[in-house]
Amino acid sequence: RKEVEQDPGPFNVPEGATVAFNCTYSNSASQSFFWYRQDCRKEPKLLMSVYSSGNEDGRFTAQLNRASQYISLLIRDSKLSDSATYLCVVEYSSASKIIFGSGTRLSIRP
Amino acid sequence: EAGVAQSPRYKIIEKRQSVAFWCNPISGHATLYWYQQILGQGPKLLIQFQNNGVVDDSQLPKDRFSAERLKGVDSTLKIQPAKLEDSAVYLCASSLVEEQFFGPGTRLTVL
Repeated sequence: RKEVEQDPGPFNVPEGATVAFNCTYSNSASQSFFWYRQDCRKEPKLLMSVYSSGNEDGRFTAQLNRASQYISLLIRDSKLSDSATYLCVVEYSSASKIIFGSGTRLSIRP
Repeated sequence: EAGVAQSPRYKIIEKRQSVAFWCNPISGHATLYWYQQILGQGPKLLIQFQNNGVVDDSQLPKDRFSAERLKGVDSTLKIQPAKLEDSAVYLCASSLVEEQFFGPGTRLTVL
């Protein structure tokens, strides 16, 4: 089993739709969680950190479920510009170990 | 503010040749990372530096890959000798606290 798993997609949804992705992790010692966005043939960029209490940034909401060992990303009112690959990142601070998921591809259609 | 710089942007070599990549992080960022990203996969951490010390190199294939960060600023990653499976994008990133800032990457093709 991979340490960090994501549904590769692609998710193909119409503009204005709400879409959600999950990311599961296997090591309960994981301490920090992030979502990065990567456009085609570009470098990853931080979308948001994921806190235990959950956090929201405009149309984006991230949640952490430690009991079930997954994090989620919800995108509301999706825009064409949201089309990208979304990478889940898990960090084990005690071991200074960083693991990226394989990413979930999202395509928004007009 | 200048971002993370990497060179070259593209490199094509034949298997068994050697290659080196260079990275200049954002000024003041103590932590520097090298990742390998194979097409269709997420980035895989190869090595992490804190200043000029190695924090994690558990996934670096040390028989052929080496990296250094002299003076705690810029860094080089070397592959010697290259194999076909090394074809990938090599990403350098730096961070001050949590957020990692990535460079544009070096796309390596091994023939």
